Amino acid sequence: KQEVTQIPAALSVPEGENLVLNCSFTDSAIYNLQWFRQDPGKGLTSLLLIQSSQREQTSGRLNASLDKSSGRSTLYIAASQPGDSATYLCAVRPSYGQNFVFGPGTRLSVLP
Amino acid sequence: EAGVAQSPRYKIIEKRQSVAFWCNPISGHATLYWYQQILGQGPKLLIQFQNNGVVDDSQLPKDRFSAERLKGVDSTLKIQPAKLEDSAVYLCASSQLAGLFFGPGTRLTVL
Repeated sequence: KQEVTQIPAALSVPEGENLVLNCSFTDSAIYNLQWFRQDPGKGLTSLLLIQSSQREQTSGRLNASLDKSSGRSTLYIAASQPGDSATYLCAVRPSYGQNFVFGPGTRLSVLP
Repeated sequence: EAGVAQSPRYKIIEKRQSVAFWCNPISGHATLYWYQQILGQGPKLLIQFQNNGVVDDSQLPKDRFSAERLKGVDSTLKIQPAKLEDSAVYLCASSQLAGLFFGPGTRLTVL
């Protein structure tokens, strides 16, 4: 059974810092991995989707990498801003099914 | 392209009452999901539809929860009767080939 963990559970950084969020999964047989952002009281917004054949994806200040063999993905945020404050969740889609498995999220606070 | 629509955005009810949530997925998306998200946790899948058929409802508390997607487009999730522990955000998502796209969610408070 696929399990997804995210460490740390919460992170607080000063504005302008580069930071890395981690996502680990137990089964390397995945179809894709997706990173989401969730603001308080809101739904999930898709940030980046990495297919199993890809190593990384980039969008603006965000870069997500995928290492299937080690069961890890990282989300790199460059030059963080207070507007980046939110909870970041990763979700894995196993290759043997259609259901996504979510991590618990990392709550990020970027201080002005 | 319009996103996933959900209504209502907020609902407050007393325990033992019933409630219904509505979702309209992105046009053309065959797969529709209902998730329950309790504060501080990741979303938990309740039910997955492929067109108008149920693919996975193994985590749906069928004694009180029901869902339908009669015409393979929009969907309704119902809770009857509600319990205090049903207080959560109910998220609808749709998918076509790859990733998930979520609606804004419905925050349910059961008093």
